Amino acid sequence: DAKTTQPNSMESNEEEPVHLPCNHSTISGTDYIHWYRQLPSQGPEYVIHGLTSNVNNRMASLAIAEDRKSSTLILHRATLRDAAVYYCILRDLDSNYQLIWGAGTKLIIKP
Amino acid sequence: DAMVIQNPRYQVTQFGKPVTLSCSQTLNHNVMYWYQQKSSQAPKLLFHYYDKDFNNEADTPDNFQSRRPNTSFCFLDIRSPGLGDAAMYLCATSRAGGPATNEKLFFGSGTQLSVL
Repeated sequence: DAKTTQPNSMESNEEEPVHLPCNHSTISGTDYIHWYRQLPSQGPEYVIHGLTSNVNNRMASLAIAEDRKSSTLILHRATLRDAAVYYCILRDLDSNYQLIWGAGTKLIIKP
Repeated sequence: DAMVIQNPRYQVTQFGKPVTLSCSQTLNHNVMYWYQQKSSQAPKLLFHYYDKDFNNEADTPDNFQSRRPNTSFCFLDIRSPGLGDAAMYLCATSRAGGPATNEKLFFGSGTQLSVL
């Protein structure tokens, strides 16, 4: 089964870039890599997703390793509002609807 | 504007007393999901509906049931809540097949269930 591994927590200073890593060494060739974040007392919200190429949107960038066994979510200028748990997610091969969630990385932003 | 709305935000029930959590959506999405999230853990999928087709996860206890009377509404029924069922319950929607088809999930703010 696909599985993701993330650090439990990371700290960053406000206004600095943040790189959140995720390992997914058992990823299949057709699995998309999704990132969601969960702010305190809120439901998760979509951040970004990708398959092979690096992706950019207004929230973040996603850098995917050439072998697809790891990826990095990049927040270019972290603000206090970016403090959240960030989940790296893959799709389960056996079910079109089941998401394989990583344990999440709690991002702490220091003012 | 809220697109996936969960009510109530906080729910307290007694051990063994049935409880229903509700979810509504204004997105007209085909798929609705119910997740259970315990403290400091990732959300765990309980079941989902693709339109009217119900799909239960293999490890979801029989104590948990769901109803989807129409596209907009979905309910989570816990028939006999135990102390271990205290958790945040999250409703989510997606337009079609979810991440397998590249569709985003949209989550509500959740209902925090306490069992006394």
